[in-house]
Amino acid sequence: QKEVEQDPGPLSVPEGAIVSLNCTYSNSAFQYFMWYRQYSRKGPELLMYTYSSGNKEDGRFTAQVDKSSKYISLFIRDSQPSDSATYLCAMFTVGRGSTLGRLYFGRGTQLTVWP
Amino acid sequence: DADVTQTPRNRITKTGKRIMLECSQTKGHDRMYWYRQDPGLGLRLIYYSFDVKDINKGEISDGYSVSRQAQAKFSLSLESAIPNQTALYFCATSDTHRGQETQYFGPGTRLLVL
Repeated sequence: QKEVEQDPGPLSVPEGAIVSLNCTYSNSAFQYFMWYRQYSRKGPELLMYTYSSGNKEDGRFTAQVDKSSKYISLFIRDSQPSDSATYLCAMFTVGRGSTLGRLYFGRGTQLTVWP
Repeated sequence: DADVTQTPRNRITKTGKRIMLECSQTKGHDRMYWYRQDPGLGLRLIYYSFDVKDINKGEISDGYSVSRQAQAKFSLSLESAIPNQTALYFCATSDTHRGQETQYFGPGTRLLVL
């Protein structure tokens, strides 16, 4: 079983829809949770960052973490064609002997928002 | 100018050839990473380096080697390329700020091994 599971999609929605992207994980030691966005032919870029359980909102984007269920989500409200990209979840914990450990990525979900 | 650069951006090579992918960064970060990305498999970590003297294997290091020539430079080598190493390769750097680890990715190198 992979450390982080993410449905690769593809997911296709009309403009204005609410999008829900999700990941599950198996390592209960993960403490930090991120969402990266990757446009076609580009490297991933950090979109959202949360620590432990709870919600974090940034404009049209909301990240949720439920550590008891080992489940994280990214919601996109009023989706736009410019949101079309691959979204990757990522998480990590403090590594042994170092200040921070390595990141574990999900496979990424390909999202298309059509006008 | 981009903070993380990769050369070449595209490369076609033949089975058995040695190839080097280079990464440079101007962000001043100590930590650097090499990933490969394959359709349906996501990002997989090949090697990572927490400073110039520290090199660590990732999930899929077999068939690859790395060199950290300086804080700003981290190279990935395929000693004898094989077709299943055809993939998109990303270099990344990271820093920590108030406990937050953020990775910054280069634009990627698209490698085709015939």
